[in-house]
Amino acid sequence: EPEVTQTPSHQVTQMGQEVILRCVPISNHLYFYWYRQILGQKVEFLVSFYNNEISEKSEIFDDQFSVERPDGSNFTLKIRSTKLEDSAMYFCASILSEIDEQYFGPGTRLTVT
Amino acid sequence: AQSVTQLGSHVSVSEGALVLLRCNYSSSVPPYLFWYVQYPNQGLQLLLKYTSAATLVKGINGFEAEFKKSETSFHLTKPSAHMSDAAEYFCAVSNNQAGTALIFGKGTTLSVSS
Repeated sequence: EPEVTQTPSHQVTQMGQEVILRCVPISNHLYFYWYRQILGQKVEFLVSFYNNEISEKSEIFDDQFSVERPDGSNFTLKIRSTKLEDSAMYFCASILSEIDEQYFGPGTRLTVT
Repeated sequence: AQSVTQLGSHVSVSEGALVLLRCNYSSSVPPYLFWYVQYPNQGLQLLLKYTSAATLVKGINGFEAEFKKSETSFHLTKPSAHMSDAAEYFCAVSNNQAGTALIFGKGTTLSVSS
C-alpha cells in the first residue's frame, strides 16, 4: 500500500541552525501539508501546498519557515534559524482530492538544543 | 473559524467494556470530520471519516462514530475494548473545500486495563 515517508526520523540541531525536513508524499497525490506536534500537545497545521504554491498557512508558519517541492517527488520544510520552541514532531501529509482523507507520514522528531 | 473540542484528556476502560470518546465541533460550513489514532512513537492513522454521506460511519478495528448535526458532535465508540486499543485519539475537522487544513482537537488518551 502506498505510504508517505519522511526523513530523517530524528534530527538534533543547535539553536540558530537551519534544518530541512524531507517528505515523499504518495505519488499521485496533489495536495501536501506540514503539521507539527509539540510534546504533549495537539497536532497543529502549518502549511498546505498545491500546484507548486502555498495554498494556506497558519500563524505559526512565519518567515523562518519555507516549503518546496524541488523535484516532483520530495516535499521539504525548511526552518532557517531554529529556536528551542521549534522542538516538536513534524508530520507531512498528502491528499488526492478534497473528499479523500489526509495520509500522514511517520513524522520527524526535531530536537533543538 | 473551525474548532474541535475533545472532552476528557484521559479515558480509562476495562478490557471488554464500551469505549466512548467525545468530540464536539464548531464549523460555519458543512464539515468533514475525522478520527485519527496515534500509537506511541508512530504517526497518525485514520480510523474513520465523515464526508456528508451516511451519518453513522464505520471504521477500522471495530470503531464507529455518529455525526449528529443538532448536537455538533462526532463521538467515537467501540462496543468492546481491547488492550491493543490503548493509544491517543484525535478528532479533526476540515471544511469541504479542496486541500484545506485539518483542525485537530487536543486528543484523548485511552487506557485499557485487564
